[in-house]
Amino acid sequence: NAGVMQNPRHLVRRRGQEARLRCSPMKGHSHVYWYRQLPEEGLKFMVYLQKENIIDESGMPKERFSAEFPKEGPSILRIQQVVRGDSAAYFCASSPTGGLGNTEAFFGQGTRLTVV
Amino acid sequence: GDSVTQMEGPVTLSEEAFLTINCTYTATGYPSLFWYVQYPGEGLQLLLKATKADDKGSNKGFEATYRKETTSFHLEKGSVQVSDSAVYFCALSFQGAQKLVFGQGTRLTINP
Repeated sequence: NAGVMQNPRHLVRRRGQEARLRCSPMKGHSHVYWYRQLPEEGLKFMVYLQKENIIDESGMPKERFSAEFPKEGPSILRIQQVVRGDSAAYFCASSPTGGLGNTEAFFGQGTRLTVV
Repeated sequence: GDSVTQMEGPVTLSEEAFLTINCTYTATGYPSLFWYVQYPGEGLQLLLKATKADDKGSNKGFEATYRKETTSFHLEKGSVQVSDSAVYFCALSFQGAQKLVFGQGTRLTINP
């Protein structure tokens, strides 16, 4: 049973380019979460999705960032017109149900984005 | 808002030493508390959790007790090993909530 798969593991983009980060949840998991870890900081919640729905995007920057979790295929976190401040590790997690107070979230290895 | 504060790292210990990593939280209500561990090159893994006051979570020789009176969830291990070298994250969440709130992480290095 494969864990949460994220790709690419490392991504380098020039300022102004687009970054696409992919996350395949664990088999049977329909709840996906994206977190961002800036250097020397903890993980910060960005967005929570279920299949075809964004449930909570309260942690997403208002511009340039978007996320989707289509009926088929992985969840995608998309960053348009990247800037140096977007350099961070982006982690995806999945769970079989919502309510992380009781349900364990399983994390991927993360994608390390570097903007040059 | 809700927040988690961890002991600043990095922490370096010798093998078989006693480990404590402090974690305190600020929250309205009574959250569930977690410790996650991130080994080099891997994603975060749940190490242990406690869902109510005075609960003790334990796993792999690590323990943490949910202390409501001090709003703390300190991680302890009696005798650490080189393989425990990792980054440790304290986190909280509420039942029915959809997000974890993390501390900044504590990097632990164990020397043989």
